[in-house]
Amino acid sequence: AQSVTQLDSQVPVFEEAPVELRCNYSSSVSVYLFWYVQYPNQGLQLLLKYLSGSTLVKGINGFEAEFNKSQTSFHLRKPSVHISDTAEYFCASTRSYNTDKLIFGTGTRLQVFP
Amino acid sequence: DAGVIQSPRHEVTEMGQEVTLRCKPISGHNSLFWYRQTMMRGLELLIYFNNNVPIDDSGMPEDRFSAKMPNASFSTLKIQPSEPRDSAVYFCASNKIQGAGHSNQPQHFGDGTRLSIL
Repeated sequence: AQSVTQLDSQVPVFEEAPVELRCNYSSSVSVYLFWYVQYPNQGLQLLLKYLSGSTLVKGINGFEAEFNKSQTSFHLRKPSVHISDTAEYFCASTRSYNTDKLIFGTGTRLQVFP
Repeated sequence: DAGVIQSPRHEVTEMGQEVTLRCKPISGHNSLFWYRQTMMRGLELLIYFNNNVPIDDSGMPEDRFSAKMPNASFSTLKIQPSEPRDSAVYFCASNKIQGAGHSNQPQHFGDGTRLSIL
């Protein structure tokens, strides 16, 4: 069965420090992977996606993620965070072209302190 | 370009009442998704439609929940009768699924409906 695991429920970090939010997926078939961000009282916004090709994917707001097939991981990184990056981050996957049923992880709360 | 529009943004009602949540997807999108978000269970897919047809409703918790999509620009999620455990934020999302051999488009989410059942 397809699943997504986010290993950290909360990640506290100081402003301008680097951050990594971890995501592991489980699937016996090819997957498509996504990171979404949710700001308070808002819906989810797409940060970046991996469909195929280069394993290093760049997204909005300076975020990037690396697809690692051997480790079944898709960790999200940013070299220098801002206070405004404080939000909930969700990793998600889907399997096929013909269905878009996203499987979400449980989310990681990124808290950036001044 | 308008995003996914959900109404109401907040709903507070008493147990046993009927609740109807509404969603207008992005124009041109052919798939629509209803999600529920709670602290305990995270984000759960309830049901999704493709070209107005329900494709997978396995996430619908029980018969009290029903969803319809009468046309490409409108969908409802109804709970009747409502119970306190239905309290959650309900999100609608839409995207355009292209044919085989084309990449999936990302889902665009509305701002959600915060539902409180007393």
